[in-house]
Order: sequence, then C-alpha cells, then structure tokens
Amino acid sequence: QKEVEQNSGPLSVPEGAIASLNCTYSDRVSQSFFWYRQYSGKSPELIMSIYSNGDKEDGRFTAQLNKASQYVSLLIRDSQPSDSATYLCAVRPKAAGNKLTFGGGTRVLVKP
Amino acid sequence: EPEVTQTPSHQVTQMGQEVILRCVPISNHLYFYWYRQILGQKVEFLVSFYNNEISEKSEIFDDQFSVERPDGSNFTLKIRSTKLEDSAMYFCASTPIGQDNSPLHFGNGTRLTVT
Repeated sequence: QKEVEQNSGPLSVPEGAIASLNCTYSDRVSQSFFWYRQYSGKSPELIMSIYSNGDKEDGRFTAQLNKASQYVSLLIRDSQPSDSATYLCAVRPKAAGNKLTFGGGTRVLVKP
Repeated sequence: EPEVTQTPSHQVTQMGQEVILRCVPISNHLYFYWYRQILGQKVEFLVSFYNNEISEKSEIFDDQFSVERPDGSNFTLKIRSTKLEDSAMYFCASTPIGQDNSPLHFGNGTRLTVT
C-alpha cells in the first residue's frame, strides 16, 4: 500500500469553479499534513498546512482533515487559470525534523 | 523573505563522474533535507540531516551518496559515481527546530542530467 495516495488527474475545472483534491495516507500516527503546489519544472511551494481534524481556510483554499478516515483534502474556490499546476499532498508522521512523505500529486487544469 | 538557495540550477555530467550539489538553507533553520524528483514522478525523500549528522535516509541514499555541512551555511549532496538513473531534479529543503508542525521550505532545485 502506498504511503500517500492521490488521484493523478488531470482534474479539469472551468474558471470560477471549485476544484476538489483528495489524499489518503496509510500511517495512522501521522500528525502534520501539508499541501504544496508545483508548477512544471519548479520546486514545491507551500499552500497550506493542517494538523487538527476539521477545516482550515486560507483565502481561496480550504484544507480538510479527517484522521479517523486517514483522509485530507484541498478545495480551491473560484479557480483561476494560474491555479493550473500539480498539487502535492505531504504527510509527516511525527515531530519536527522527520521527513515529509509526498503523494504523486494531482494535476489540475483550470480552463478559461 | 528568507529562502533556500541551490546551485547550480542545471548540471550536466557524464556517467561515472562525481557531482556536488550545493544548498544554502535558511539561516535559522537546523534541519536539512535532500529530495529528488525524476521527471514525471513523485518527490522522493533522500536524506535528512541535523546537528551535523544524518538523522534519516531512504533506500535510494546508498553508498554513492553523501551529505556534508562543510561550514556554517552550506549543505552539500555528493554523488560519487553518477548513473544515468540519477538524472532528476534535486531539491534541498530546511525547517526550523522546535516547531513540530513546521513545513519544509524548498529551494529552486538543481536539474541533474547524466549522459
């Protein structure tokens, strides 16, 4: 079983719509969860972090965490063409200093 | 805003040659990492480094790889004898100590091409 799983996509959404991205993880003791955005040929760029069950909103982005289901999601509201990128889910099992394990990423295409 | 810097941005080398990839982590960060990403594949952990020693490494990080913090600012990844399959983007990252939920801050990466 893969440690962090994401649908590879592409997820095609019209401009202005909501993009919904999902991520599941296998390690039950995971405590910190991160969403990164990666444009082609560039490095991962942090969008959001979430540590507690529930929702966390930051601008057009909302992260949702359900530790019981080992599931974390990202919603992008009012999607813009500049949101077209690959979104990486990353999980850290323990305290700071431990590695992040990345999923394979979901490619999002926002069509004008 | 402080950032992780990596040099060079692109390195081309012949198979069997040694390469050194360089990174300057954010100045108040104490945990350092190397990741790699083969074209079209996921970001893979190689090694983490804290207090001048390796704290964790992956199966990828075999005897051909080594890391070093030669001075107070640089953090290097050495590949002793490069193979074609070492061609990838290599990302350095850092995070501060004492913040359990701190994210990794990535540099812009070095694209390594082994011919």
